[in-house]
Amino acid sequence: NAGVTQTPKFQVLKTGQSMTLQCAQDMNHEYMSWYRQDPGMGLRLIHYSVGAGITDQGEVPNGYNVSRSTTEDFPLRLLSAAPSQTSVYFCASSYRSGSSYNSPLHFGNGTRLTVT
Amino acid sequence: GESVGLHLPTLSVQEGDNSIINCAYSNSASDYFIWYKQESGKGPQFIIDIRSNMDKRQGQRVTVLLNKTVKHLSLQIAATQPGDSAVYFCAESPPGTGRRALTFGSGTRLQVQP
Repeated sequence: NAGVTQTPKFQVLKTGQSMTLQCAQDMNHEYMSWYRQDPGMGLRLIHYSVGAGITDQGEVPNGYNVSRSTTEDFPLRLLSAAPSQTSVYFCASSYRSGSSYNSPLHFGNGTRLTVT
Repeated sequence: GESVGLHLPTLSVQEGDNSIINCAYSNSASDYFIWYKQESGKGPQFIIDIRSNMDKRQGQRVTVLLNKTVKHLSLQIAATQPGDSAVYFCAESPPGTGRRALTFGSGTRLQVQP
């Protein structure tokens, strides 16, 4: 049971390049989400998904796309990277209990992205 | 907008002492609160949570206190150890989100002196 796995751990992009941050979980969690963490700030929600085929925007969705074709995977795409997207990105998941998501979020170890 | 904040950015304690990390939240309708620990180079790790219908919850060496009157959350760590050194985040779940979205504070760094 690996939990939440994120790849790559580090990435450097040039402005305008595109890339996909991968996230996979093996806990059969319905809920998955992406956060970014900037220095001196807490984590901010980018996008989330409550199940395969369902995604929604969080607090800071601009510049990012997501899809959820399987329960296990939730990739985050940057179509045209900008220096403002330099950050550490965390993927998280949890299971659903009834109408709410009562279990705490399980986080991956992050992807550190630098855009020059 | 409403947000979760922390009083102290850095807290330094002696090994063996008790630590108290504070958090102020502004959304009085939030119904769920969580504390996370983040070590360098790792993702946040769940410590303890509490629902808004409770005012205290205890775990192993940790206690979370919720004071809804003044919208204050605290994390108490008993007999602090060097392994407790990390950044601690509080987070709240705003109403109507079904706990799908969490609002995080900016974090407090706990330094444990040997």
